[in-house]
Amino acid sequence: QQPVQSPQAVILREGEDAVINCSSSKALYSVHWYRQKHGEAPVFLMILLKGGEQKGHEKISASFNEKKQQSSLYLTASQLSYSGTYFCGTESSGGYQKVTFGIGTKLQVIP
Amino acid sequence: DAGVIQSPRHEVTEMGQEVTLRCKPISGHDYLFWYRQTMMRGLELLIYFNNNVPIDDSGMPEDRFSAKMPNASFSTLKIQPSEPRDSAVYFCASSLSDIKFFGPGTRLTVL
Repeated sequence: QQPVQSPQAVILREGEDAVINCSSSKALYSVHWYRQKHGEAPVFLMILLKGGEQKGHEKISASFNEKKQQSSLYLTASQLSYSGTYFCGTESSGGYQKVTFGIGTKLQVIP
Repeated sequence: DAGVIQSPRHEVTEMGQEVTLRCKPISGHDYLFWYRQTMMRGLELLIYFNNNVPIDDSGMPEDRFSAKMPNASFSTLKIQPSEPRDSAVYFCASSLSDIKFFGPGTRLTVL
């Protein structure tokens, strides 16, 4: 079952902050975040593992609440280059491979 | 080092025709994934392989869809017969650990 992302779309001015939320109805082992720019392939941003370990981007942070089966992606001091569609992917078995992605959150940063 | 290679990049075909999409994963990666992207459903996992063996094909929508991985450097996704609702962007991705590297995608249009 796909995770649910919110908001579905957001427009920011450069320098503003944004939060993208992801929730699942299933117990989660890991949460994966990817960004896709228009017409391009999705690119890995971050992975958050059960137990608190996280790996990923320098300027983008995220949280993972295992009990609530939720994750949030924090974009601070947004730049024009942050524009794109952000996908949350969830995985429940611990093998990291069978990742189910949400529909995505379209983020546009304007000058 | 070349990334994931997909061909063709664009495919336009008529309903009822057979369509074959091709993928060359990154050398050394032992997992290969096929995803389908649509506006309504986002990124859907269709099937994935480990060491050329199909592990989970529960996302393949119908028997019209089939995928093979005859060796570590090549995979195909075949749709026979194709239908207009199969129109989407099909991504191939490969991984060695928990980070997926996506190819540029094949945009399929079935008329």
